Amino acid sequence: SAVISQKPSRDICQRGTSLTIQCQVDSQVTMMFWYRQQPGQSLTLIATANQGSEATYESGFVIDKFPISRPNLTFSTLTVSNMSPEDSSIYLCSVEVRGLVTQYFGPGTRLTVL
Amino acid sequence: GENVEQHPSTLSVQEGDSAVIKCTYSDSASNYFPWYKQELGKRPQLIIDIRSNVGEKKDQRIAVTLNKTAKHFSLHITETQPEDSAVYFCAADNTNAGKSTFGDGTTLTVKP
Repeated sequence: SAVISQKPSRDICQRGTSLTIQCQVDSQVTMMFWYRQQPGQSLTLIATANQGSEATYESGFVIDKFPISRPNLTFSTLTVSNMSPEDSSIYLCSVEVRGLVTQYFGPGTRLTVL
Repeated sequence: GENVEQHPSTLSVQEGDSAVIKCTYSDSASNYFPWYKQELGKRPQLIIDIRSNVGEKKDQRIAVTLNKTAKHFSLHITETQPEDSAVYFCAADNTNAGKSTFGDGTTLTVKP
């Protein structure tokens, strides 16, 4: 398995501002993903964070709104840009450990936009 | 792309009864099917998984079955306990594509 941490755990932000969420893993992983989970809803994949190249975004998500970095095999950031109340959600990173298929999730970042 | 449907959306059982949650998928290339349990305010955690070359897998009170022909798989929990109360998500994964598609979740309530 993997130990995954996210920062911040929660934040309250003003409309129009941006927030960067960090995801740190205690071991090198092959795949890192960013999900959004709105209250009472399922997990929606935002993008796959690729090490050393641009992230791969799912339909409905764009790089200008959700820029992602992955500078190495243990760390990634997701920025939620120009936020609106509709961006209020829980954002989770997940990883696939090298040699395994199973995803392990971080604890999530609860974002509230006023 | 892959589409995963999960039923029921809510399920209430009496302690000691069995619970069954069903999922269907659309992409025949999917070959890995994990189940996650998410307790209130916590992260999703894997509870059991099955690969497409296996029809059934069991781990204590939890079992998963897979019917590749019909493209459906199910989670079975026997002798349910109040601590089984949570939201359960199924997922379908094409390991060659490297990402999972999740069902909408089932809220299981086990009444003591």
